[in-house]
Amino acid sequence: AQSVTQLGSHVSVSEGALVLLRCNYSSSVPPYLFWYVQYPNQGLQLLLKYTSAATLVKGINGFEAEFKKSETSFHLTKPSAHMSDAAEYFCAVRPRSGAGSYQLTFGKGTKLSVIP
Amino acid sequence: DTAVSQTPKYLVTQMGNDKSIKCEQNLGHDTMYWYKQDSKKFLKIMFSYNNKELIINETVPNRFSPKSPDKAHLNLHINSLELGDSAVYFCASSQGDRTFADTQYFGPGTRLTVL
Repeated sequence: AQSVTQLGSHVSVSEGALVLLRCNYSSSVPPYLFWYVQYPNQGLQLLLKYTSAATLVKGINGFEAEFKKSETSFHLTKPSAHMSDAAEYFCAVRPRSGAGSYQLTFGKGTKLSVIP
Repeated sequence: DTAVSQTPKYLVTQMGNDKSIKCEQNLGHDTMYWYKQDSKKFLKIMFSYNNKELIINETVPNRFSPKSPDKAHLNLHINSLELGDSAVYFCASSQGDRTFADTQYFGPGTRLTVL
């Protein structure tokens, strides 16, 4: 079964500083990888996804993520944090084939706080 | 227009009651899902459903059942509610074609509180 680990349940950065949120997956075949954001009391919004076309994926709101097969990672970054980035961020995986290939498996989430 | 909508947004009820949460999508998607988010924000798939296939997460109690009157709707029925059912429930939809392009779109969530 596939799983995804997000290191750090809570990350705090200063406004204008680099944002780095970590995600590692475990599966023998690289899955499809996603980052979602959840603002307070809202549903999940897709930030970006990795589909194997390019290892560096650009998403909305200035976020990007790099797929590294050797490290089984898909870390999310943003060069300069903005107050509006404060939210919960979820990494998710979906297998490329087989049973459950419809379904997303989520990490436990990382809460990002931005300090003025 | 809201792509994936859920009603109600908040639901407070007593233990033992039966309740339903409605979900509608206007994206023309073939597959819909229900997720449960617990108090620690952990999201877990409960069901995925299209007109050909229902996949049930084996950990979901049979008190929970999805009902789909048509392709645009997937309602969640919960019988004999328990305290542990308190959570936020999210509906989602996608094309369900299992390709890389298949992206799930989420509703705003329904916060269920069982007293």
